[in-house]
Amino acid sequence: DVKVTQSSRYLVKRTGEKVFLECVQDMDHENMFWYRQDPGLGLRLIYFSYDVKMKEKGDIPEGYSVSREKKERFSLILESASTNQTSMYLCASSRGRGHSYGYTFGSGTRLTVV
Amino acid sequence: EDQVTQSPEALRLQEGESSSLNCSYTVSGLRGLFWYRQDPGKGPEFLFTLYSAGEEKEKERLKATLTKKESFLHITAPKPEDSATYLCAVQAGTASKLTFGTGTRLQVTL
Repeated sequence: DVKVTQSSRYLVKRTGEKVFLECVQDMDHENMFWYRQDPGLGLRLIYFSYDVKMKEKGDIPEGYSVSREKKERFSLILESASTNQTSMYLCASSRGRGHSYGYTFGSGTRLTVV
Repeated sequence: EDQVTQSPEALRLQEGESSSLNCSYTVSGLRGLFWYRQDPGKGPEFLFTLYSAGEEKEKERLKATLTKKESFLHITAPKPEDSATYLCAVQAGTASKLTFGTGTRLQVTL
């Protein structure tokens, strides 16, 4: 059963901490994405990657960075966590460019920053 | 800028009461329109992809249709297990990224 795995279901971090959210996919997908989901705002794209070591900003990249050292792993980094980054974070992957493929999502990480 | 608007925000149906969810979109060069189902506390689960106006897809009690400006998700004789949030998303131009609507929260009661 192919899937996208997010390392933590729930996280509680303190303001100012550096936070790492990990995502691994086993489908050999080229594309990987990080979204956050908030009530009333829907899913908003933070960063995405089309290939190893490549990254592109999404709609709300401020306060975040990403790393993709291997094809199967895409990490989201909160450089200095703030309370307004409390949210559900969703990782997704999809097949290569030039085709209209949908995403496979992970189960999400609910992050609370206190 | 791509825009996706879903309506209604919330819908409550009795078991067996058919209805439709709406997804209207504004994009340049639609490549695909996607429907997902999301249960509370979980990631979205893929349902359908529609590529061109006039296309229809079906899965059990769900049927998705597409026009040049909107898509409908028709739910026929729903059951309580169909309760979930239904998300619509579009893919446009050369990008692989999806732009999502805010979803319709469906509750089906006995």
